[in-house]
Amino acid sequence: NAGVTQTPKFQVLKTGQSMTLQCAQDMNHEYMSWYRQDPGMGLRLIHYSVGAGITDQGEVPNGYNVSRSTTEDFPLRLLSAAPSQTSVYFCASSYPSGRTDTQYFGPGTRLTVL
Amino acid sequence: QQQVKQSPQSLIVQKGGIPIINCAYENTAFDYFPWYQQFPGKGPALLIAIRPDVSEKKEGRFTISFNKSAKQFSLHIMDSQPGDSATYFCAGLSGSARQLTFGSGTQLTVLP
Repeated sequence: NAGVTQTPKFQVLKTGQSMTLQCAQDMNHEYMSWYRQDPGMGLRLIHYSVGAGITDQGEVPNGYNVSRSTTEDFPLRLLSAAPSQTSVYFCASSYPSGRTDTQYFGPGTRLTVL
Repeated sequence: QQQVKQSPQSLIVQKGGIPIINCAYENTAFDYFPWYQQFPGKGPALLIAIRPDVSEKKEGRFTISFNKSAKQFSLHIMDSQPGDSATYFCAGLSGSARQLTFGSGTQLTVLP
C-alpha cells in the first residue's frame, strides 16, 4: 500500500491564481481531512469528508473548496490564492472503528503564495 | 479559541533524559487523545494514544499520563535518544466525524 499520497510536494503561486492540491489513499478509508500547518499553531482542520459525496467545513475553511467523488481521492482547491494561504498542507485519512481512531497523514504540500 | 494548549514550545535535553510535554484541553467532548510525532519534511505519525477512562498508557519508552478531572495529559519519553528529536503534537478527537484538534506543538532536541 502507498498509504496517503499528495501532489505536488512544492508549489509557488502568485496572488489570485487558483490551483488544486491532490490527495489519494489506497487503504479504503472512509474519512479524509485536510489540515494546514503554520508555525506555532499546530495543524488546523480545513475541510473533511466522512464518505464519498459528503464534505463539511473545519476550523479554517475560507478560501478553500473540496469535493469527494470517490473513496480514494479528496482534492483541495484554492479559488484565488492569497499570501495568508502560504502554509504546509497535509491530507489525512482514517477508518474509525471501536478499536482505533488512527489518522494517517500524507507527506504534505508546501505552498508559497507571492 | 485554542481548545488544546501545549507546553513547552521547545525543549532540549541530554541523551538519557526524560522530556515531559504537557497538554491541557477545554473540550469535554474529546474521547480520544493521541500524540503525533513529526520529523522535518514529513507528515505527522501517530506515536501513542489514550482514552479518558485510563490514567496511564505505556508503549516502549513512551508514556501518557492522563488526569481527567484536571483535563490535562502529558507525554514522557524515557531514556531519550537523539533519534527522538522531532516535533510532538498532542491532540483531542471528538464527534462522529472524528475531528482532530491539535496543540501547537513542541520541538524536542535530544543532545548526544
